Amino acid sequence: DAKTTQPPSMDCAEGRAANLPCNHSTISGNEYVYWYRQIHSQGPQYIIHGLKNNETNEMASLIITEDRKSSTLILPHATLRDTAVYYCIVRSGSGNTGKLIFGQGTTLQVKP
Amino acid sequence: DVKVTQSSRYLVKRTGEKVFLECVQDMDHENMFWYRQDPGLGLRLIYFSYDVKMKEKGDIPEGYSVSREKKERFSLILESTSTNQTSMYLCASRGTETANYGYTFGSGTRLTVV
Repeated sequence: DAKTTQPPSMDCAEGRAANLPCNHSTISGNEYVYWYRQIHSQGPQYIIHGLKNNETNEMASLIITEDRKSSTLILPHATLRDTAVYYCIVRSGSGNTGKLIFGQGTTLQVKP
Repeated sequence: DVKVTQSSRYLVKRTGEKVFLECVQDMDHENMFWYRQDPGLGLRLIYFSYDVKMKEKGDIPEGYSVSREKKERFSLILESTSTNQTSMYLCASRGTETANYGYTFGSGTRLTVV
């Protein structure tokens, strides 16, 4: 599975959009981009995933560049409860190996 | 709401004790996983199972074993605990449907071995 690179930390003002970048320049054609977040002392929570097209759900939007070498997770109106570590993960969408490789992620601090 | 439930949030055990960590999911998922999470090391896969009675070693299986007798339950067993097994243990499950490759994690069990 391809490696991802994320900034270690970011700040965002409450009510503003939080844009979290991720580089995955070695991504291959059948690999999906996943985003998870982990709030302190809890298990990781699935946010969104995508292959080529931009995706949106009730939690966030995922923008994937045309060459698929990078993506951005957008939290449109960040709240204090969005303070967490955000992980960008790339892996194949099929198969049973189940190996999610979590890097260090981006610690997002939402400030009042 | 779908759930992965881990039996304990916090455990303190003495070195050499046997520990069972239980995980139950209510989503009829085929795949279940045990990870441990340590500061600076991220999440590391211990074992996973893609079907009842099936198990596969992850990256760090030494000192651990698992049991999957029923589809909804995946147990992690520490036969003789050591202090280097002090960690946060996370269980996850995943379905195999094309549109659902997201993992659902439990809240974690923080194990301290003294």
